Amino acid sequence: GEDVEQSLFLSVREGDSSVINCTYTDSSSTYLYWYKQEPGAGLQLLTYIFSNMDMKQDQRLTVLLNKKDKHLSLRIADTQTGDSAIYFCAERSWMDSSYKLIFGSGTRLLVRP
Amino acid sequence: SAVISQKPSRDICQRGTSLTIQCQVDSQVTMMFWYRQQPGQSLTLIATANQGSEATYESGFVIDKFPISRPNLTFSTLTVSNMSPEDSSIYLCSVEAGTGQADSYEQYFGPGTRLTVT
Repeated sequence: GEDVEQSLFLSVREGDSSVINCTYTDSSSTYLYWYKQEPGAGLQLLTYIFSNMDMKQDQRLTVLLNKKDKHLSLRIADTQTGDSAIYFCAERSWMDSSYKLIFGSGTRLLVRP
Repeated sequence: SAVISQKPSRDICQRGTSLTIQCQVDSQVTMMFWYRQQPGQSLTLIATANQGSEATYESGFVIDKFPISRPNLTFSTLTVSNMSPEDSSIYLCSVEAGTGQADSYEQYFGPGTRLTVT
């Protein structure tokens, strides 16, 4: 089946840039998403990228997509303590006659003051 | 975008009982999804619920254990039946909302229902 993988943990200092990486297996994925989950909360859609793009920027967030390597990254510029959370990568895949989101295991980002 | 609310936000239940979780969306949507997030884990899709049809369950999930209703385009319920401690999880409702632009889909999540079974 389709698989999405992420590193489990990232620690950065406040003000530095954070880069969270993700690899996926479905080369026909049309959309790739980044979600943020703060403690005790649901998932917040941060951004997403269509597969015909290789970069998308939205304020402090930059998404890079390398389709050849099936690699997706999320860069957070000027990381703040409020960015501490778990970040999930997800791909939209056609499976069993419908589209589904396949999630990675999540990367826990810790921002040190 | 879509704003989703869930009730209850959390509950502690005894084994053998059932809990019904409600999901309300602020706009009409075709596709609604129910996910489970076990402690420290990622999200697993339980089922897809489209209005006017039976829910479609993923492998490992069955209707008798997780009956779903979808009476209209803004509301759905998930029941966790005959609960055991292994059902302790966060249950999340989600909807897919097209943005109006061609080939553009955004999927939003509710705040989740944190269930503990004792």
